Amino acid sequence: EAGVTQFPSHSVIEKGQTVTLRCDPISGHDNLYWYRRVMGKEIKFLLHFVKESKQDESGMPNNRFLAERTGGTYSTLKVQPAELEDSGVYFCASSQGRGDLLWANVLTFGAGSRLTVL
Amino acid sequence: AQSVTQLDSHVSVSEGTPVLLRCNYSSSYSPSLFWYVQHPNKGLQLLLKYTSAATLVKGINGFEAEFKKSETSFHLTKPSAHMSDAAEYFCVVSVKTGNQFYFGTGTSLTVIP
Repeated sequence: EAGVTQFPSHSVIEKGQTVTLRCDPISGHDNLYWYRRVMGKEIKFLLHFVKESKQDESGMPNNRFLAERTGGTYSTLKVQPAELEDSGVYFCASSQGRGDLLWANVLTFGAGSRLTVL
Repeated sequence: AQSVTQLDSHVSVSEGTPVLLRCNYSSSYSPSLFWYVQHPNKGLQLLLKYTSAATLVKGINGFEAEFKKSETSFHLTKPSAHMSDAAEYFCVVSVKTGNQFYFGTGTSLTVIP
């Protein structure tokens, strides 16, 4: 079984530019999550998709961040325009299950996309 | 509210000696608890999880963790460290009322030959 794939693995951009991160979850996993780790801090929740619908986007920092999951397969996370504080590692994770079993689900993570904004 | 505290940001042990990585959690509800490990340039990998069954949970690669409700702890242990255990370890909590997973700040484990 293929795992969760993220790309690019590393992106270096100038402040004000746009970057799009992509995540391909495990086939058949309805749940897709985005998390972010800023240098030295904990990994924080950004948002959760169930299929193509945003279930919870309470962790999105501001409206410069836009996540999509058209067709309920892969997801993209766009940052436009990027700021210095957006630097960090962006993790994608997917899981099976639904409803009240979500909390006990095992998340399968990708290797992360490291974003450096100069 | 839910939160996780990993008490040590760095732990160093000699190869062959026991490993103890500490985790305390705060949760308003009965939690699920997980330990994940991240090796360099790899994704986070599940080591073990607790979801209200047995309080002593055995995971992969000889790791285990014990859920202690009275102490709100979920410490990760291994009897004998191996060089391949060098990595960063994350304690994670989730609760039934939400769909978020809350991470600790991570503990970096160094294994000295």
